[in-house]
Amino acid sequence: NAGVTQTPKFQVLKTGQSMTLQCAQDMNHNSMYWYRQDPGMGLRLIYYSASEGTTDKGEVPNGYNVSRLNKREFSLRLESAAPSQTSVYFCASRASAGGRYEQYFGPGTRLTVT
Amino acid sequence: QKEVEQDPGPLSVPEGAIVSLNCTYSNSAFQYFMWYRQYSRKGPELLMYTYSSGNKEDGRFTAQVDKSSKYISLFIRDSQPSDSATYLCAMRLSYNTNAGKSTFGDGTTLTVKP
Repeated sequence: NAGVTQTPKFQVLKTGQSMTLQCAQDMNHNSMYWYRQDPGMGLRLIYYSASEGTTDKGEVPNGYNVSRLNKREFSLRLESAAPSQTSVYFCASRASAGGRYEQYFGPGTRLTVT
Repeated sequence: QKEVEQDPGPLSVPEGAIVSLNCTYSNSAFQYFMWYRQYSRKGPELLMYTYSSGNKEDGRFTAQVDKSSKYISLFIRDSQPSDSATYLCAMRLSYNTNAGKSTFGDGTTLTVKP
């Protein structure tokens, strides 16, 4: 049981380049989330998917798009990377959007945009 | 003003000390209160989970919620060097609302010196 996996672990992009961060979970969870974490700013929600087939914006969605490919996979795409998107990105999943279930986080992707 | 404010730290204590980590919040509708531990260059992991007011104990860790004061705490007894990490408080609304989104504090970095 791998839990939540993220690829790649590290990435360096030039301004204007695009890339997709991949996330997969093997816990049969319904809900998945993408966060970014910056020094002194905690975890900020970018996008989430309460269930397969649905996606919604979080607190900081500008410059990002997401795809819930299937129940297991939730990808985050940067169409035109900017230095302000330098951050650590975490994917998380949760059994259900409701009820007493908590989030399990992946190991993160460290992204630097130059 | 942020919905969740966390004592910023950093905090440095000798081994064996009692540690108190604290968060305040402004949204009286929060019902679920969590503490996550995040080791350096890793994803957050759920440490403690409390529903509504009261105390919850798990080994050396005690989570306390005071909804009347909108204040939560995490106490660590007999702190160990292995407790050195960043601790994030998180909160969310009641059952099945808001797609299970949590609001996080910015984190407090704790160092326990041998």
